[in-house]
Amino acid sequence: DGGITQSPKYLFRKEGQNVTLSCEQNLNHDAMYWYRQDPGQGLRLIYYSQIVNDFQKGDIAEGYSVSREKKESFPLTVTSAQKNPTAFYLCASSYGQGGSNYGYTFGSGTRLTVV
Amino acid sequence: AQSVTQLGSHVSVSEGALVLLRCNYSSSVPPYLFWYVQYPNQGLQLLLKYTSAATLVKGINGFEAEFKKSETSFHLTKPSAHMSDAAEYFCAVSVFSGSARQLTFGSGTQLTVLP
Repeated sequence: DGGITQSPKYLFRKEGQNVTLSCEQNLNHDAMYWYRQDPGQGLRLIYYSQIVNDFQKGDIAEGYSVSREKKESFPLTVTSAQKNPTAFYLCASSYGQGGSNYGYTFGSGTRLTVV
Repeated sequence: AQSVTQLGSHVSVSEGALVLLRCNYSSSVPPYLFWYVQYPNQGLQLLLKYTSAATLVKGINGFEAEFKKSETSFHLTKPSAHMSDAAEYFCAVSVFSGSARQLTFGSGTQLTVLP
């Protein structure tokens, strides 16, 4: 079955460490997205990519980096510059550039905690 | 700018009672509208979508929503709440950002179902 796989489900980061969250999809979707979710704040867009080797900053890109070397993969790195990284991170993908009338398909999320 | 507003961050209903979750949008062009559900520590799952066909849209788990252009609303309803409906619900509108469409999400409504 097609879908989006995020790994790991839980991740712990020490102060000053970079960590990378994996997102893989086998839906043949063109576009992929990363969101951050904090309690009571809904979803905030970190980065998105419409095509391979191209990506755009979202609303809260500072302290994060991404790459899109393959259509299927869109990893997110949380760098040491992100001062408050503890959150639930969601990856999504969509058919066509921007989802149009299909909406997004979401992964099951990664919960990142700073220890 | 196109956006979506969810009225009520928390809604409580008794089991068997009507569920009504409110969503209003602002859009200068006919929008695509979506409702998603999120269970704890999981990703978002598409409940239903409006893409300019029938104004009354039926989704999964007995939910439906009606697009009312005159009221710029897309409220989500279910005739009889089940305990399993307890979750967070997000309304979203598909908008153009640059050259492509993206989803903009509301801040979410947490539904509690009381026994």
